[in-house]
Amino acid sequence: DSGVTQTPKHLITATGQRVTLRCSPRSGDLSVYWYQQSLDQGLQFLIQYYNGEERAKGNILERFSAQQFPDLHSELNLSSLELGDSALYFCASSVVSGQGKNEQFFGPGTRLTVL
Amino acid sequence: AQKVTQAQTEISVVEKEDVTLDCVYETRDTTYYLFWYKQPPSGELVFLIRRNSFDEQNEISGRYSWNFQKSTSSFNFTITASQVVDSAVYFCALSEVILTGGGNKLTFGTGTQLKVEL
Repeated sequence: DSGVTQTPKHLITATGQRVTLRCSPRSGDLSVYWYQQSLDQGLQFLIQYYNGEERAKGNILERFSAQQFPDLHSELNLSSLELGDSALYFCASSVVSGQGKNEQFFGPGTRLTVL
Repeated sequence: AQKVTQAQTEISVVEKEDVTLDCVYETRDTTYYLFWYKQPPSGELVFLIRRNSFDEQNEISGRYSWNFQKSTSSFNFTITASQVVDSAVYFCALSEVILTGGGNKLTFGTGTQLKVEL
């Protein structure tokens, strides 16, 4: 158990809908990262927050947004969902930001299925 | 741009065989960090090891060992005396610091599916 929690574990929804994925980092970690794992794109970095501020952005679609709250939990919002958004979404956390040496600990993931 | 290549898509071995998973990376950074993660059938990503670019000493942890060679930009992972429980997808990753925002991210390879059979 990495100490990173994600809810829900599974999510099934329809095209055009909006969903929110939630992540709580390990105790003491200030950085939260979101990754998407799909069959065609592999594991891709979406976005990173550190202590409430956005610090890095990857290939995140405009329909997707995220935030990190004062208690350090983070939410990833996906809207106008398409079939291609079906994927496993991981949250990871680390102690600091901007240092490549810090390993990221991953949560169990949220499996999103868009029908 | 950084890149990680895991050319082996799938490897099948019989239990107790040794197996090596290859990882080749590209980066312009002089200081960088490499990682290996394991994704068992249950789906979670488990951190295995971190290696920095200025330490080329090989590392051994039980049945796992890692061979880092800067000259060939490779960071290979060997499992000795493989077991069925080692069956998983293994990912190699390279850390990148994002100077503009003070962030960082991991660039993953496509993973190698290891199947260990009895």
